[in-house]
Amino acid sequence: AQSVAQPEDQVNVAEGNPLTVKCTYSVSGNPYLFWYVQYPNRGLQFLLKYITGDNLVKGSYGFEAEFNKSQTSFHLKKPSALVSDSALYFCAVRVIGGGYQKVTFGIGTKLQVIP
Amino acid sequence: EAGVTQFPSHSVIEKGQTVTLRCDPISGHDNLYWYRRVMGKEIKFLLHFVKESKQDESGMPNNRFLAERTGGTYSTLKVQPAELEDSGVYFCASSPRDRGGYTFGSGTRLTVV
Repeated sequence: AQSVAQPEDQVNVAEGNPLTVKCTYSVSGNPYLFWYVQYPNRGLQFLLKYITGDNLVKGSYGFEAEFNKSQTSFHLKKPSALVSDSALYFCAVRVIGGGYQKVTFGIGTKLQVIP
Repeated sequence: EAGVTQFPSHSVIEKGQTVTLRCDPISGHDNLYWYRRVMGKEIKFLLHFVKESKQDESGMPNNRFLAERTGGTYSTLKVQPAELEDSGVYFCASSPRDRGGYTFGSGTRLTVV
């Protein structure tokens, strides 16, 4: 079985400061990892994904995520937070290959950027 | 390219009534998924279509939920009769065959009162 843990319900950060939203995963096999964002009253938007290669993945809106195999983590980061980054962030995982594409999501982390 | 379209965006119904949610995937995407997020909890998988066939419906909560994808294009998710615990946001997503990135719709917020 595969699972995702987002240990923080909410993350508060001051505008201009770096932000980190944590994610750890559990999967049998090589993971395919995602971050999605949900802005208020909007749908889920894709931010970035990791399959193989460079452990640091760059995505939309200046976000990046670092894959750490030994710690089974995929934390989302941004060097300088904007108030407009305030939203709900979801980490997700599935196993690469096998022909089946079901994705498992975490519970979500609310990011609040304070002006 | 048009995105994944879901409607209605919001629905408020009484317990015992029937509601049908619709999802129009991106044209050409064989894979269509339904997910649900109950307030404060994770986004949970409901089912997966490949074209018109149900690949996996292991996440469907019970037989009050019926999903269809006739002709392999749009999909409907019917809840009959609705219960209070069915309230949540229902997301639809699609992806091209053998590609792992999903495109999500904006969701339908269902409230059962």
